[in-house]
Amino acid sequence: KNEVEQSPQNLTAQEGEFITINCSYSVGISALHWLQQHPGGGIVSLFMLSSGKKKHGRLIATINIQEKHSSLHITASHPRDSAVYICAVRWGGAQKLVFGQGTRLTINP
Amino acid sequence: DGGITQSPKYLFRKEGQNVTLSCEQNLNHDAMYWYRQDPGQGLRLIYYSQIVNDFQKGDIAEGYSVSREKKESFPLTVTSAQKNPTAFYLCASISGDWHYGYTFGSGTRLTVV
Repeated sequence: KNEVEQSPQNLTAQEGEFITINCSYSVGISALHWLQQHPGGGIVSLFMLSSGKKKHGRLIATINIQEKHSSLHITASHPRDSAVYICAVRWGGAQKLVFGQGTRLTINP
Repeated sequence: DGGITQSPKYLFRKEGQNVTLSCEQNLNHDAMYWYRQDPGQGLRLIYYSQIVNDFQKGDIAEGYSVSREKKESFPLTVTSAQKNPTAFYLCASISGDWHYGYTFGSGTRLTVV
């Protein structure tokens, strides 16, 4: 069983909609990463957070340490936001990440 | 601009042959990683290296080998012992203090024919 679970696995929405992608993990972590993978395969790091909330443009990432849960929100979604969004966590002093399976987001014009 | 360069982007290999995937970074990052991605699955760690001349096995190291002779370079060899090598391979790096997020390469898609 994967220790990092994302939901939904697939999400299709209309342009302009508010998007939420969820990530749950099994034990306490030192940091959580949100990544974006475009159809070509390249991955971009969006956020790294260990508490609270971070915002970059239309993207917002939150984390609730007590509930072991993080969300990635996209406001005013656009077709160019279509991608796979991946959650990954790091435990303690570990030098590696454990990845969720990803959420495939499609925004239709 | 600083970043990670993976080459080639697409690679075809005959069954039974070894092949080496290149990963070069000019970010002065200490740690480098190789991941494998299969359809519908999360990234899985093959090998990682925290310093030059040192590396550790990840979760799926069998059939793979690496070297870290220079800080900038972390090549991955897919050997003939790897039973199912067709996959998308990603290289990543991070600075030693983890203050900044991962930087990923653009990936190499390996197909065994």
